[in-house]
Amino acid sequence: SQQGEEDPQALSIQEGENATMNCSYKTSINNLQWYRQNSGRGLVHLILIRSNEREKHSGRLRVTLDTSKKSSSLLITASRAADTASYFCATLANRDDKIIFGKGTRLHILP
Amino acid sequence: NAGVTQTPKFQVLKTGQSMTLQCAQDMNHNSMYWYRQDPGMGLRLIYYSASEGTTDKGEVPNGYNVSRLNKREFSLRLESAAPSQTSVYFCASSEYAARQGGEKLFFGSGTQLSVL
Repeated sequence: SQQGEEDPQALSIQEGENATMNCSYKTSINNLQWYRQNSGRGLVHLILIRSNEREKHSGRLRVTLDTSKKSSSLLITASRAADTASYFCATLANRDDKIIFGKGTRLHILP
Repeated sequence: NAGVTQTPKFQVLKTGQSMTLQCAQDMNHNSMYWYRQDPGMGLRLIYYSASEGTTDKGEVPNGYNVSRLNKREFSLRLESAAPSQTSVYFCASSEYAARQGGEKLFFGSGTQLSVL
């Protein structure tokens, strides 16, 4: 069964606005990652946050992790047309080599 | 840099046919993975290889076999294709097995497979 569950499934916002996507998971984790997938392409790693971290930044990306609620959020600030893509959270469970993906959020940036 | 290369990019099979999807990486990574992506289901792990000479089942291994031919190559075989295996298949690699800190995955561009 899949570990992560993104919310919302789809999101449309105006260019320049901030986009927030959420991910919930079921079991204890070592780390949580976010990936982006442009249409028809493979996934690209964006950012990784470890279970002992609460917040991490990378450029216009901000990721938070709440292990007590088993949830994470990805914030993209000042969105651009090029941010249109699907975004996936992926978790690495403790004592495991498997990286399990959620179903993804489709983000559409409107001009 | 080629990164992770998958072949073929597209394939159409008839039910019962067999085929092998090829994957090669040139980053000297130890770990390799096969995922399938279906609409509304996200990516699901089929098999993975934490290091050369080892393979393990993922979430959906039934109907598939894998071979870690050497450190560079990890192939996925469908012995008797079924319509339920129509999907987009992605190969990925990471420097080390996930537990050892090599969690960042590098993906190929995918193989779109249709089984009629």
